Amino acid sequence: GNSVTQMEGPVTLSEEAFLTINCTYTATGYPSLFWYVQYPGEGLQLLLKATKADDKGSNKGFEATYRKETTSFHLEKGSVQVSDSAVYFCALSGNTPLVFGKGTRLSVIA
Amino acid sequence: GAVVSQHPSRVICKSGTSVKIECRSLDFQATTMFWYRQFPKKSLMLMATSNEGSKATYEQGVEKDKFLINHASLTLSTLTVTSAHPEDSSFYICSAPSATTDTQYFGPGTRLTVL
Repeated sequence: GNSVTQMEGPVTLSEEAFLTINCTYTATGYPSLFWYVQYPGEGLQLLLKATKADDKGSNKGFEATYRKETTSFHLEKGSVQVSDSAVYFCALSGNTPLVFGKGTRLSVIA
Repeated sequence: GAVVSQHPSRVICKSGTSVKIECRSLDFQATTMFWYRQFPKKSLMLMATSNEGSKATYEQGVEKDKFLINHASLTLSTLTVTSAHPEDSSFYICSAPSATTDTQYFGPGTRLTVL
């Protein structure tokens, strides 16, 4: 079946550091790939998505490229801010419902 | 983007009572909605798929008599936790997929505390 594996956290970075959160997937067919962000005490917000191979999703300085050859969708940001502290979930959907990774908690310190 | 609301955002109840949580898609119709449960510092666990006009589909291990789901219209699904017990305390999140954007949108969640 479909599955998502993302790097274990927590990840602690200083402000303005470079961020990478790895995500790999296993799926049949051609799923869409998503990154969601969850701030403390809140629900999930869509951060970015990509629907086919080589697509790049981007939002708020975050980027992720759908790599079919490596079955990956790594999340990157060039310069993190304290306000980026949250839990990040990688997810895929060939047909709904979503299959989630376990989440990676990011803490950014000033 | 599309908006999904949940109500209430927090609820505290006594053991043995029932609690209803509403999930609404505010600017799009959703024939399907999903209910998730999230334990502290854990990922989301899919509980059930709510289908407008038909019975919900429950994931393995989820008691359908305890977690009653009703998809009353194309914009509303409700989850009722019946005879709640302290172990039902959790963060419940709903989502609705938008057919036009092929994306799921999540509600803000409901934190249930059973005393």
